[in-house]
Amino acid sequence: DAGITQSPRYKITETGRQVTLMCHQTWSHSYMFWYRQDLGHGLRLIYYSAAADITDKGEVPDGYVVSRSKTENFPLTLESATRSQTSVYFCASSETENTEAFFGQGTRLTVV
Amino acid sequence: GQNIDQPTEMTATEGAIVQINCTYQTSGFNGLFWYQQHAGEAPTFLSYNVLDGLEEKGRFSSFLSRSKGYSYLLLKELQMKDSASYLCAVMDSNYQLIWGAGTKLIIKP
Repeated sequence: DAGITQSPRYKITETGRQVTLMCHQTWSHSYMFWYRQDLGHGLRLIYYSAAADITDKGEVPDGYVVSRSKTENFPLTLESATRSQTSVYFCASSETENTEAFFGQGTRLTVV
Repeated sequence: GQNIDQPTEMTATEGAIVQINCTYQTSGFNGLFWYQQHAGEAPTFLSYNVLDGLEEKGRFSSFLSRSKGYSYLLLKELQMKDSASYLCAVMDSNYQLIWGAGTKLIIKP
């Protein structure tokens, strides 16, 4: 299917566990992003990537790791999940750095 | 610091017009975006302004004044399906998007 897809849609994990959220896009967009969305806050950028093998920190990168070995995939790993990482995570992609971003459906992560 | 302000919630009547304001203070400016987000769904792009003035797209229009650090989204002929959150985001000098917390728009029949 064309577009940008995230998996899983819902995830419950325990404190201290490692968890990976997947993101796949079929447009060959150069830029990919990971955001978290919490009540009362705007979307906050965790990490972004301008191209394969190029990643950079956003506003809230602590506790997260990303990689981008292929243009179409941009997984986000929580190395040791904490309750404060309970959130809705959105992956997005854009053709260039200042064009509209297309968002995946989101992953609702609960850390217990 | 960088800051985007928009009202938390607004209520309007079906068929009416509503204006959602957004003020910003950012390190540089490379454009302002508006997105719509229905509850439980992903944000979807509505408009982009980089020059001062009004951009019209069907029932939706977006206005920008860079000197005032101000934008608004105007929704005409409101429909029930317009009930959603509207997110304002500004691209700063590093081409990073700074997001407002969103305005929840409630449409009443």
